[in-house]
Amino acid sequence: AQSVTQLGSHVSVSEGALVLLRCNYSSSVPPYLFWYVQYPNQGLQLLLKYTSAATLVKGINGFEAEFKKSETSFHLTKPSAHMSDAAEYFCAVSEGSWNTDKLIFGTGTRLQVFP
Amino acid sequence: DAGVTQSPTHLIKTRGQHVTLRCSPISGHKSVSWYQQVLGQGPQFIFQYYEKEERGRGNFPDRFSARQFPNYSSELNVNALLLGDSALYLCASSSTGAGSREKLFFGSGTQLSVL
Repeated sequence: AQSVTQLGSHVSVSEGALVLLRCNYSSSVPPYLFWYVQYPNQGLQLLLKYTSAATLVKGINGFEAEFKKSETSFHLTKPSAHMSDAAEYFCAVSEGSWNTDKLIFGTGTRLQVFP
Repeated sequence: DAGVTQSPTHLIKTRGQHVTLRCSPISGHKSVSWYQQVLGQGPQFIFQYYEKEERGRGNFPDRFSARQFPNYSSELNVNALLLGDSALYLCASSSTGAGSREKLFFGSGTQLSVL
């Protein structure tokens, strides 16, 4: 069965500092992996996705993530945090079949950005 | 273009009551999925409907049911509400039902409170 584990329920950084949000996955098949962001009182918005093409995936708002099979990781990074990045971030893995909308989400990491 | 729309945005019910949540997908999208997000956790998959047929079901009791209409809008029904059903209910749509490989578009959700 597929699953994801997000290390750290809360991460705090200063504006301009590096953002690193950690995600490890478990999958019996080559996974499709995603990072979603959720702003207060809103739904989820896709930041980026990995679907077995390039291992370094670039997303919106300056975020990127690197797929590392040897470490079963898909960590999200951004070189310089902005106040507007404060939100909840979710890592997700596909259920196992391409022909489904079923994603399995982690428990989320709340990012705080201090001025 | 309108995104995924959900109604109502907030709802308060008492234990034992029934509730119906509604979702309109993005125009042209034929697949609708429902997720439950309990406070402090990631979304959990409840149902997927594609072309009006159930394509997937998560680990939820039979009190939860859904359907999709010819215009691809969808309803989620929950009977005999329990306190534990209090959550944000998210609807997501995709064009082909392969959101695990492509992209899911999420609505802002319906916040259900059960008293």
